[in-house]
Amino acid sequence: DTEVTQTPKHLVMGMTNKKSLKCEQHMGHRAMYWYKQKAKKPPELMFVYSYEKLSINESVPSRFSPECPNSSLLNLHLHALQPEDSALYLCASSQEPGAREKLFFGSGTQLSVL
Amino acid sequence: AQRVTQPEKLLSVFKGAPVELKCNYSYSGSPELFWYVQYSRQRLQLLLRHISRESIKGFTADLNKGETSFHLKKPFAQEEDSAMYYCALSILQGAQKLVFGQGTRLTINP
Repeated sequence: DTEVTQTPKHLVMGMTNKKSLKCEQHMGHRAMYWYKQKAKKPPELMFVYSYEKLSINESVPSRFSPECPNSSLLNLHLHALQPEDSALYLCASSQEPGAREKLFFGSGTQLSVL
Repeated sequence: AQRVTQPEKLLSVFKGAPVELKCNYSYSGSPELFWYVQYSRQRLQLLLRHISRESIKGFTADLNKGETSFHLKKPFAQEEDSAMYYCALSILQGAQKLVFGQGTRLTINP
Protein backbone atom coordinates (compact mmCIF):
# COMPACT_ATOMS: atom_id res chain seq x y z
CA ASP A 1 0.00 0.00 0.00
CA THR A 2 1.73 3.17 -1.20
CA GLU A 3 -1.05 5.66 -0.69
CA VAL A 4 -2.17 8.21 1.83
CA THR A 5 -5.90 7.86 2.38
CA GLN A 6 -8.07 10.71 3.60
CA THR A 7 -11.68 10.60 4.75
CA PRO A 8 -14.14 12.05 4.18
CA LYS A 9 -13.60 13.40 0.67
CA HIS A 10 -16.14 16.17 1.22
CA LEU A 11 -17.45 17.74 4.41
CA VAL A 12 -20.00 20.47 5.01
CA MET A 13 -20.29 21.81 8.54
CA GLY A 14 -21.85 24.65 10.42
CA MET A 15 -19.88 27.05 12.57
CA THR A 16 -21.04 25.37 15.78
CA ASN A 17 -20.30 21.80 14.67
CA LYS A 18 -17.48 19.53 15.75
CA LYS A 19 -16.04 17.26 13.09
CA SER A 20 -12.84 15.35 12.41
CA LEU A 21 -10.74 14.71 9.33
CA LYS A 22 -8.87 11.42 9.13
CA CYS A 23 -5.67 10.42 7.38
CA GLU A 24 -4.07 6.99 7.17
CA GLN A 25 -0.88 5.57 5.66
CA HIS A 26 0.66 2.11 5.85
CA MET A 27 4.05 2.84 4.33
CA GLY A 28 5.84 2.96 7.68
CA HIS A 29 6.40 6.69 7.35
CA ARG A 30 7.25 8.46 10.58
CA ALA A 31 6.47 12.03 9.54
CA MET A 32 2.92 13.20 8.84
CA TYR A 33 1.67 16.60 7.77
CA TRP A 34 -1.47 18.68 7.48
CA TYR A 35 -1.64 21.28 4.73
CA LYS A 36 -4.42 23.74 3.88
CA GLN A 37 -5.03 24.72 0.27
CA LYS A 38 -7.37 27.51 -0.72
CA ALA A 39 -8.70 27.65 -4.26
CA LYS A 40 -6.04 28.59 -6.82
CA LYS A 41 -3.39 28.87 -4.08
CA PRO A 42 -0.48 26.63 -3.12
CA PRO A 43 -0.65 24.32 -0.11
CA GLU A 44 0.24 25.97 3.20
CA LEU A 45 1.72 23.96 6.04
CA MET A 46 -0.34 23.70 9.22
CA PHE A 47 1.19 20.94 11.36
CA VAL A 48 3.98 18.36 11.28
CA TYR A 49 4.15 15.23 13.40
CA SER A 50 7.47 13.42 13.87
CA TYR A 51 7.38 9.98 15.50
CA GLU A 52 3.80 10.71 16.63
CA LYS A 53 4.80 13.94 18.37
CA LEU A 54 3.83 17.41 17.23
CA SER A 55 7.00 19.09 16.00
CA ILE A 56 5.72 22.04 13.98
CA ASN A 57 2.62 24.18 14.49
CA GLU A 58 2.50 27.05 12.02
CA SER A 59 0.57 29.33 14.42
CA VAL A 60 -2.68 27.62 13.50
CA PRO A 61 -5.80 28.80 15.43
CA SER A 62 -6.84 26.52 18.27
CA ARG A 63 -10.12 25.70 16.53
CA PHE A 64 -7.94 23.23 14.59
CA SER A 65 -6.64 20.46 16.84
CA PRO A 66 -4.37 17.77 15.42
CA GLU A 67 -3.91 14.32 16.87
CA CYS A 68 -1.62 11.43 15.98
CA PRO A 69 -2.91 8.35 17.83
CA ASN A 70 -0.35 6.02 16.26
CA SER A 71 2.25 5.96 13.51
CA SER A 72 -0.32 5.21 10.79
CA LEU A 73 -3.08 7.65 11.69
CA LEU A 74 -3.42 11.41 11.75
CA ASN A 75 -6.58 13.28 12.69
CA LEU A 76 -7.56 16.92 12.49
CA HIS A 77 -10.33 17.89 14.89
CA LEU A 78 -12.41 20.88 13.90
CA HIS A 79 -14.51 23.02 16.22
CA ALA A 80 -16.18 26.39 15.85
CA LEU A 81 -14.76 27.00 12.40
CA GLN A 82 -15.31 30.13 10.36
CA PRO A 83 -16.45 30.35 6.74
CA GLU A 84 -12.94 31.48 5.76
CA ASP A 85 -11.66 28.07 6.90
CA SER A 86 -13.35 26.51 3.88
CA ALA A 87 -10.56 24.90 1.87
CA LEU A 88 -9.02 21.63 0.72
CA TYR A 89 -7.20 19.98 3.61
CA LEU A 90 -4.32 17.79 2.52
CA CYS A 91 -2.57 15.14 4.53
CA ALA A 92 0.92 13.99 3.58
CA SER A 93 3.60 11.66 4.88
CA SER A 94 7.32 11.11 4.44
CA GLN A 95 9.67 8.40 5.58
CA GLU A 96 12.06 10.17 7.93
CA PRO A 97 11.11 13.27 9.93
CA GLY A 98 14.59 14.71 9.97
CA ALA A 99 15.22 14.42 6.24
CA ARG A 100 14.35 16.67 3.32
CA GLU A 101 12.61 14.17 1.12
CA LYS A 102 9.60 13.34 -0.99
CA LEU A 103 6.14 13.85 0.44
CA PHE A 104 3.27 11.51 -0.41
CA PHE A 105 -0.01 13.43 -0.51
CA GLY A 106 -3.55 12.28 0.00
CA SER A 107 -6.40 13.38 -2.24
CA GLY A 108 -7.66 15.78 0.39
CA THR A 109 -10.88 16.63 2.18
CA GLN A 110 -12.86 19.48 0.63
CA LEU A 111 -14.31 21.36 3.59
CA SER A 112 -17.13 23.88 3.40
CA VAL A 113 -18.06 25.87 6.51
CA LEU A 114 -21.50 27.46 6.40
CA ALA B 1 13.14 34.56 4.89
CA GLN B 2 12.51 31.52 2.77
CA ARG B 3 10.57 32.18 -0.39
CA VAL B 4 9.82 30.49 -3.70
CA THR B 5 8.73 32.54 -6.68
CA GLN B 6 7.08 31.22 -9.81
CA PRO B 7 6.56 34.31 -11.96
CA GLU B 8 4.08 32.78 -14.43
CA LYS B 9 0.62 31.86 -13.16
CA LEU B 10 -0.36 30.58 -16.60
CA LEU B 11 1.74 29.19 -19.42
CA SER B 12 0.40 27.97 -22.73
CA VAL B 13 2.48 26.30 -25.44
CA PHE B 14 1.80 24.16 -28.48
CA LYS B 15 2.39 20.43 -28.58
CA GLY B 16 5.95 19.67 -29.64
CA ALA B 17 7.27 23.06 -28.52
CA PRO B 18 9.84 23.45 -25.73
CA VAL B 19 8.59 24.25 -22.26
CA GLU B 20 10.30 26.13 -19.45
CA LEU B 21 8.63 26.80 -16.10
CA LYS B 22 10.56 29.29 -14.04
CA CYS B 23 11.31 29.00 -10.34
CA ASN B 24 13.46 31.24 -8.18
CA TYR B 25 14.13 30.81 -4.49
CA SER B 26 15.42 32.75 -1.54
CA TYR B 27 17.12 30.75 1.20
CA SER B 28 20.22 31.38 3.25
CA GLY B 29 21.05 27.71 3.75
CA SER B 30 21.82 24.87 1.37
CA PRO B 31 18.71 24.53 -0.83
CA GLU B 32 16.84 21.31 -1.46
CA LEU B 33 14.32 21.86 -4.25
CA PHE B 34 11.50 19.85 -5.73
CA TRP B 35 8.94 20.10 -8.50
CA TYR B 36 5.49 18.75 -7.66
CA VAL B 37 2.73 18.29 -10.22
CA GLN B 38 -1.03 18.03 -9.96
CA TYR B 39 -2.84 16.58 -12.97
CA SER B 40 -6.57 17.11 -13.31
CA ARG B 41 -8.49 15.14 -10.65
CA GLN B 42 -5.30 13.60 -9.29
CA ARG B 43 -3.39 14.13 -6.08
CA LEU B 44 -0.32 16.28 -5.76
CA GLN B 45 2.75 14.18 -6.55
CA LEU B 46 6.48 14.56 -6.85
CA LEU B 47 7.79 15.13 -10.37
CA LEU B 48 11.47 15.44 -9.59
CA ARG B 49 14.02 16.68 -7.07
CA HIS B 50 17.28 18.39 -7.79
CA ILE B 51 19.46 16.03 -5.80
CA SER B 52 18.51 13.01 -7.90
CA ARG B 53 19.41 14.73 -11.18
CA GLU B 54 17.10 12.43 -13.12
CA SER B 55 14.68 13.03 -15.95
CA ILE B 56 11.05 12.21 -15.31
CA LYS B 57 8.54 12.17 -18.18
CA GLY B 58 11.14 14.06 -20.21
CA PHE B 59 11.40 16.91 -17.69
CA THR B 60 14.68 18.08 -16.21
CA ALA B 61 15.59 20.80 -13.76
CA ASP B 62 19.01 22.15 -12.84
CA LEU B 63 19.77 23.97 -9.66
CA ASN B 64 21.64 27.20 -10.37
CA LYS B 65 22.87 28.54 -7.04
CA GLY B 66 24.35 31.66 -8.62
CA GLU B 67 20.98 32.68 -10.04
CA THR B 68 19.02 31.01 -7.22
CA SER B 69 16.90 29.25 -9.81
CA PHE B 70 15.48 25.79 -10.42
CA HIS B 71 13.71 26.05 -13.75
CA LEU B 72 11.79 23.05 -15.13
CA LYS B 73 12.37 22.21 -18.78
CA LYS B 74 11.13 19.82 -21.41
CA PRO B 75 12.29 19.95 -25.04
CA PHE B 76 9.04 18.74 -26.65
CA ALA B 77 5.75 19.30 -24.81
CA GLN B 78 2.98 16.69 -24.92
CA GLU B 79 -0.73 17.21 -24.29
CA GLU B 80 -0.59 15.03 -21.18
CA ASP B 81 1.82 17.53 -19.62
CA SER B 82 -1.08 19.92 -19.02
CA ALA B 83 -1.25 20.31 -15.24
CA MET B 84 -0.50 22.56 -12.28
CA TYR B 85 3.19 22.67 -11.41
CA TYR B 86 4.57 23.74 -8.04
CA CYS B 87 8.18 24.45 -7.22
CA ALA B 88 8.95 23.74 -3.57
CA LEU B 89 11.82 24.42 -1.19
CA SER B 90 12.44 21.99 1.64
CA ILE B 91 13.84 23.34 4.89
CA LEU B 92 14.46 21.70 8.23
CA GLN B 93 13.16 23.33 11.40
CA GLY B 94 13.11 20.33 13.68
CA ALA B 95 11.11 18.63 10.95
CA GLN B 96 10.72 19.14 7.22
CA LYS B 97 8.80 22.13 5.94
CA LEU B 98 7.93 22.43 2.28
CA VAL B 99 7.55 26.00 1.08
CA PHE B 100 5.61 26.10 -2.18
CA GLY B 101 5.66 28.65 -4.94
CA GLN B 102 2.37 30.03 -6.23
CA GLY B 103 2.25 27.46 -9.00
CA THR B 104 2.14 27.61 -12.79
CA ARG B 105 -0.77 26.17 -14.74
CA LEU B 106 0.64 24.70 -17.92
CA THR B 107 -1.64 24.14 -20.88
CA ILE B 108 -0.43 22.27 -23.95
CA ASN B 109 -2.43 23.13 -27.05
CA PRO B 110 -2.84 20.51 -29.80
